[in-house]
Amino acid sequence: DTGVSQDPRHKITKRGQNVTFRCDPISEHNRLYWYRQTLGQGPEFLTYFQNEAQLEKSRLLSDRFSAERPKGSFSTLEIQRTEQGDSAMYLCASSDRMVAFFGQGTRLTVV
Amino acid sequence: AQSVTQLDSQVPVFEEAPVELRCNYSSSVSVYLFWYVQYPNQGLQLLLKYLSGSTLVKGINGFEAEFNKSQTSFHLRKPSVHISDTAEYFCAVSEPSNANDYKLSFGAGTTVTVRA
Repeated sequence: DTGVSQDPRHKITKRGQNVTFRCDPISEHNRLYWYRQTLGQGPEFLTYFQNEAQLEKSRLLSDRFSAERPKGSFSTLEIQRTEQGDSAMYLCASSDRMVAFFGQGTRLTVV
Repeated sequence: AQSVTQLDSQVPVFEEAPVELRCNYSSSVSVYLFWYVQYPNQGLQLLLKYLSGSTLVKGINGFEAEFNKSQTSFHLRKPSVHISDTAEYFCAVSEPSNANDYKLSFGAGTTVTVRA
């Protein structure tokens, strides 16, 4: 399967802990996006990479969030000092420029 | 900046009946338009896309959509639904002319429930 892969699928963490999610894009795609989806809403853009360069960050991405894409391959999204409001589905997508393909998402629950 | 409005939050429909999901967008520039489907606790799967050319686009699973530039709409249709079409459907738009940025703006989604 050469689709977008995300790990883990589910994460339960205590408030105040740090969490890290991983995304492996489709290999020939140089663009990678992170989105957040809360219950009953559509996904919202968080950040975007072209190769290893992070080109745009949403205002939703507070200082507690950081994303990296070393060597332009996989990407990680880290949330420090998690809060209950961080509970959401975190979706990764990769793109061949025009069309984005999504992974299965990581469901984060902060308790 | 673009925005997307999905006019129906929930659409109940009987099996083998037709369904239409409405989507309107606002943008001052040319756009790409997409419909994605999401099954419970899953990611988004691309149903169909409009990039250019024919305004009637066909996608997977028997879905089609029509781009209407004058009405800034991109409504999704299926002539006969199945139980397996029960899911959340999202309309999305990107503005390719905006600094080569293809990030998507999504509507709030439409929940389709197909009943036997």
